[in-house]
Amino acid sequence: ETGVTQTPRHLVMGMTNKKSLKCEQHLGHNAMYWYKQSAKKPLELMFVYSLEERVENNSVPSRFSPECPNSSHLFLHLHTLQPEDSALYLCASSQGPQSYNEQFFGPGTRLTVL
Amino acid sequence: QKEVEQNSGPLSVPEGAIASLNCTYSDRGSQSFFWYRQYSGKSPELIMSIYSNGDKEDGRFTAQLNKASQYVSLLIRDSQPSDSATYLCAVNDHQAGTALIFGKGTTLSVSS
Repeated sequence: ETGVTQTPRHLVMGMTNKKSLKCEQHLGHNAMYWYKQSAKKPLELMFVYSLEERVENNSVPSRFSPECPNSSHLFLHLHTLQPEDSALYLCASSQGPQSYNEQFFGPGTRLTVL
Repeated sequence: QKEVEQNSGPLSVPEGAIASLNCTYSDRGSQSFFWYRQYSGKSPELIMSIYSNGDKEDGRFTAQLNKASQYVSLLIRDSQPSDSATYLCAVNDHQAGTALIFGKGTTLSVSS
């Protein structure tokens, strides 16, 4: 595997389900990110982790819960989501958390909440 | 509210022409600027980063930055149908060390 990988690539879930998104980076980077991309809207930063510590949480609802067990892996745990949470969820990584670092994206998880 | 503005397009150019994509931003303190390409149904792919005023060239791509005018552009020379995609401009939020502010993107269509 190379770059940033994400699983699953597609996910359909009901509002009462609990699911998790997984991201893994193979670039030796120290920072990882979750973004949300909805139709007709700019990418929205959700969470930033640097060396497994959360450094940013952009007022994201508590039904989204991130986890970063090590610098290569990032999870997004989902529970009691709403239909408006349907979107493309993108993971990215960079050398460090400073915004001058280039960020590289994974392929994304297309989430549909019924 | 800090913003990055891009013309949504579509910008249509014939094959072989120069495509010019523009972006303006509101944060005067921004220092880092990025262009991403996103094909339909795919994730963004970094194509250029620029940090200093002036031009930066990489193959058929040239990024131009004017911090005084708060303007960044991307030129694509000898446009190919494979360049047809949405191009996202991203700018750092200098007050939030980790954050990038993304524009909504410009859709480019290159006809053969």
